Amino acid sequence: EAEVAQSPRYKITEKSQAVAFWCDPISGHATLYWYRQILGQGPELLVQFQDESVVDDSQLPKDRFSAERLKGVDSTLKIQPAELGDSAMYLCASSLEGISIDEQYFGPGTRLTVT
Amino acid sequence: GQQVMQIPQYQHVQEGEDFTTYCNSSTTLSNIQWYKQRPGGHPVFLIQLVKSGEVKKQKRLTFQFGEAKKNSSLHITATQTTDVGTYFCAGPYSGAGSYQLTFGKGTKLSVIP
Repeated sequence: EAEVAQSPRYKITEKSQAVAFWCDPISGHATLYWYRQILGQGPELLVQFQDESVVDDSQLPKDRFSAERLKGVDSTLKIQPAELGDSAMYLCASSLEGISIDEQYFGPGTRLTVT
Repeated sequence: GQQVMQIPQYQHVQEGEDFTTYCNSSTTLSNIQWYKQRPGGHPVFLIQLVKSGEVKKQKRLTFQFGEAKKNSSLHITATQTTDVGTYFCAGPYSGAGSYQLTFGKGTKLSVIP
């Protein structure tokens, strides 16, 4: 069964450092999402791509976060500089078309700890 | 902003007891989705409800969508230890360019064997 791949699975970094996460969605899925999940909370959308275009990044802290999906396939989420409050699980998900009835397939996530 | 409220936040049950989690939206939803996240895992899609008053069953799990399409529930009959995890409801809300799937805070289920 096809899965969403993410790496690394765990990342520990010091505050003010740069960190990057990678996601490879299920083949053929046009829509890719990056979520942040704080312990005890539900996932919160950071950015949504349709193919290579950003559809929604209204919740992305753009002073320090950036995301790209250059060829409309895999994607990278970057934080620079990292802050203590960025410690969380970063989840990538993909869906077939990005319409509201699409189910989303989540990757295993990257657990970020900022010290 | 758009919100999905979920209660209870935690539920501890004895194995074999029933479990229910409730989800309420501040606005009418076109559909609602349910996900399960096992401890240390990632959210996994369970089901989607679209029609007003819809009821769907998956073995011991029963999902309902309210008549007004603003609330939903998940009921598990005779819980098992394999049911342990956090159950999230999620509804689509209009975002900046498309729609956003907004998740509730989830109900964490613990099953005591």
